[in-house]
Amino acid sequence: AQTVTQSQPEMSVQEAETVTLSCTYDTSESDYYLFWYKQPPSRQMILVIRQEAYKQQNATENRFSVNFQKAAKSFSLKISDSQLGDAAMYFCAYRSAIWTGNTPLVFGKGTRLSVIA
Amino acid sequence: NAGVTQTPKFQVLKTGQSMTLQCAQDMNHEYMSWYRQDPGMGLRLIHYSVGAGITDQGEVPNGYNVSRSTTEDFPLRLLSAAPSQTSVYFCASSYIGGFSYNEQFFGPGTRLTVL
Repeated sequence: AQTVTQSQPEMSVQEAETVTLSCTYDTSESDYYLFWYKQPPSRQMILVIRQEAYKQQNATENRFSVNFQKAAKSFSLKISDSQLGDAAMYFCAYRSAIWTGNTPLVFGKGTRLSVIA
Repeated sequence: NAGVTQTPKFQVLKTGQSMTLQCAQDMNHEYMSWYRQDPGMGLRLIHYSVGAGITDQGEVPNGYNVSRSTTEDFPLRLLSAAPSQTSVYFCASSYIGGFSYNEQFFGPGTRLTVL
């Protein structure tokens, strides 16, 4: 079974600075997807960024980018020019690309990010 | 499109009571699932469905039942609520296969408290 580990329960960053959230995962599969979800106090799960394992290029979405190291099974999220609205819980998640019928998202335990004005 | 909708948003139950959490999606997604979120535990899969009439268990299915009579709806039933079921419940849906398969859409969640 796949597992996802987020080793930083809490992080903080000054407004306008850059912060990196860590995520490692364990899998024997070669084809999969990785995601970062943001959960603000509203509870809504918001997809921030996704990465296909077969792509070597790191995904980027505006101020959000990832550092995907497939051999190391590492998938970190970098937030540049942090804003107060970035304060939230962030979840790293894994999903197999091979449809077997039982193919859920596997989540890490989350990292709570605080942004200091 | 309304996306994924859940009702109610909040619910308080007494131990032993039963209730149904509703979930609906209007994106014609084959795959629907229920997760529970507990502090320090991330989200864990309760049950899932790959189409009308087809359901299966996830990681934490005990105490919950599901059915799927239509593509749109996937209700979650608590048969006899227990304090251990106090949690936030999320419904999610996605396509099966193809490029669009890689994204799940989440509902707004239901906060359930069992006294």
